Amino acid sequence: SQKIEQNSEALNIQEGKTATLTCNYTNYSPAYLQWYRQDPGRGPVFLLLIRENEKEKRKERLKVTFDTTLKQSLFHITASQPADSATYLCALLGGYNKLIFGAGTRLAVHP
Amino acid sequence: NAGVTQTPKFQVLKTGQSMTLQCAQDMNHEYMSWYRQDPGMGLRLIHYSVGAGITDQGEVPNGYNVSRSTTEDFPLRLLSAAPSQTSVYFCASRSTGTSSYNEQFFGPGTRLTVL
Repeated sequence: SQKIEQNSEALNIQEGKTATLTCNYTNYSPAYLQWYRQDPGRGPVFLLLIRENEKEKRKERLKVTFDTTLKQSLFHITASQPADSATYLCALLGGYNKLIFGAGTRLAVHP
Repeated sequence: NAGVTQTPKFQVLKTGQSMTLQCAQDMNHEYMSWYRQDPGMGLRLIHYSVGAGITDQGEVPNGYNVSRSTTEDFPLRLLSAAPSQTSVYFCASRSTGTSSYNEQFFGPGTRLTVL
């Protein structure tokens, strides 16, 4: 069956460290993968998109990698800040025009 | 631009009641969709539309109806609410343009409780 898996346990890190979140998928061959941020009580907000022919994408303190052999994407936040605390969702195109989401990983950055 | 708007923000229904969740976008996006979000299960696609007059089912369509008479509006109808439909509902839109890679914009959500 098709699955998108993200760590269900919250990730707790110290301010200034690098946070690394994982997204694994099974039985998909996505043309691209996206990452979103969601704050409590709000809708998700788009952060980054990485295509299947790209190994890495950066935007300010964010970096995403995409390994189609491992069927995995890693999302990194460098020099993390308490304001980065949120839930991060990965999403991929799971069929014609269907954007499918993982359950998300909650990140807590402590001062 | 208001982006994607949803009404109401909160709603309580009794089992068997019907209601319509409203969604509108002012970005002239062709693609609109509805998701529900439950704890531990992430966002699940209910229905989507690639343009006015065209709708299709997502992962969890049962118990929900949609229609798309205009580019701007994409209402979600619950015909006979059930407690299993208690959830937070998000409407989203994106441009398809020349590529289907574009970011998806989400509304603020509707928190629905069915007693």
